[in-house]
Amino acid sequence: DTAVSQTPKYLVTQMGNDKSIKCEQNLGHDTMYWYKQDSKKFLKIMFSYNNKELIINETVPNRFSPKSPDKAHLNLHINSLELGDSAVYFCASSHHQQRVAGTTDTQYFGPGTRLTVL
Amino acid sequence: AQSVSQHNHHVILSEAASLELGCNYSYGGTVNLFWYVQYPGQHLQLLLKYFSGDPLVKGIKGFEAEFIKSKFSFNLRKPSVQWSDTAEYFCAVNAGSSYKLIFGSGTRLLVRP
Repeated sequence: DTAVSQTPKYLVTQMGNDKSIKCEQNLGHDTMYWYKQDSKKFLKIMFSYNNKELIINETVPNRFSPKSPDKAHLNLHINSLELGDSAVYFCASSHHQQRVAGTTDTQYFGPGTRLTVL
Repeated sequence: AQSVSQHNHHVILSEAASLELGCNYSYGGTVNLFWYVQYPGQHLQLLLKYFSGDPLVKGIKGFEAEFIKSKFSFNLRKPSVQWSDTAEYFCAVNAGSSYKLIFGSGTRLLVRP
């Protein structure tokens, strides 16, 4: 069984288009994340939702809009795609019962979506 | 701001050689530390993690890491690498009560058969 799944796995599109990437987790986690991995393999967090509430919103262009219809899903919609958006986008999830200093849980990653903007 | 440094960007070893990958972080408070591995064309998988307790942590596939608080380090080690260990290795830090996982820039390991 796939724990964190993403669709599509590959996405090739033209500049200016709007596209969405979907993520689903069946781990019962309450927190989900989107990361961007650039061509140099550098990973950076973009967004995080906890119980459908946005809790992390890094300096990301507002062309990127995450949506969490429920705890198990976190989708990423990108408007007016640009060449620089080409990257691998990873979804992740974790379980955070209580926000106590020094406690956290492991983030589990999906297989990634390779986005190529032409 | 929190940051994670991985000083070795590329490492090339022969099979059976010993491995040590460096990871240093900048944050003065309580931290949780992780090593993830990304095999070619695959997603990130957790190798090991440190939350508290014994600073020497054992992970999967014979990997271990040692948390040295005074040096702000969490180096990854393996006594004898295999060709199948060829991958990208990422150190990551989660500080205090933050949800955010900060990644290092990664170390690409190539193991020659």
